[in-house]
Amino acid sequence: QVQLVQSGAEVKKPGASVKVSCKASGYTFNTFGFSWVRQAPGQGFEWMGWINAYNGKTNYAQKVQGRITMTTDTSTSTAYLELRSLRADDTAVYYCVRELEGPDYWGQGTLVTVSS
Amino acid sequence: EIVLTQSPGTLSLSPGERATLSCRASQSIISNFLVWYQQKPGQAPRLLIYGASSRATGIPDRFSGSGSGTDFTLTISRLEPEDFALYYCHQFGTSPQTFGQGTRVEIK
Repeated sequence: QVQLVQSGAEVKKPGASVKVSCKASGYTFNTFGFSWVRQAPGQGFEWMGWINAYNGKTNYAQKVQGRITMTTDTSTSTAYLELRSLRADDTAVYYCVRELEGPDYWGQGTLVTVSS
Repeated sequence: EIVLTQSPGTLSLSPGERATLSCRASQSIISNFLVWYQQKPGQAPRLLIYGASSRATGIPDRFSGSGSGTDFTLTISRLEPEDFALYYCHQFGTSPQTFGQGTRVEIK
């Protein structure tokens, strides 16, 4: 069965960087892409961008452009999200979402807390 | 960007009743690239409906989706106790992808 298992919670200081991983199993990794979506406490969802796991092509949301990098490692079937220059309003649960013709499976989420 | 407006914000119903949730888009959604999710506290969203009207694998047939263009509806024909949760619509046809703010279905 399809599983997306994300890395554990992180606490970071303002200005630092964070890298969240999403290990996929149960399907052929490079036939799907991934979106990354975040949900701030008590808030709705914000799409951050998308990566094609086959060729690494990306499409980032304008709001985080310049601070974000999405990558994949096909040898380990893992997708990564790196966010730099963290601010307090980056505090959120970050989710990876598998996509082919549309989103379907979500990872369990990774809480990233940005606090001094 | 496409703004998705869900209504009502909260729906108070009893088990066995019918729930009708609305998702209205600020512009037409390409190829019905709209999905619906259910989210329970502390959990990731679960895909219910894709392509506006197709049920995802394992989703009971009491869940149905309809609509096209800018107006979409999720209907739960008879609420079961496990259906009381948050529901979100999500469009992925136009970048940036966007989400509705959610409808809470609560027990009356």
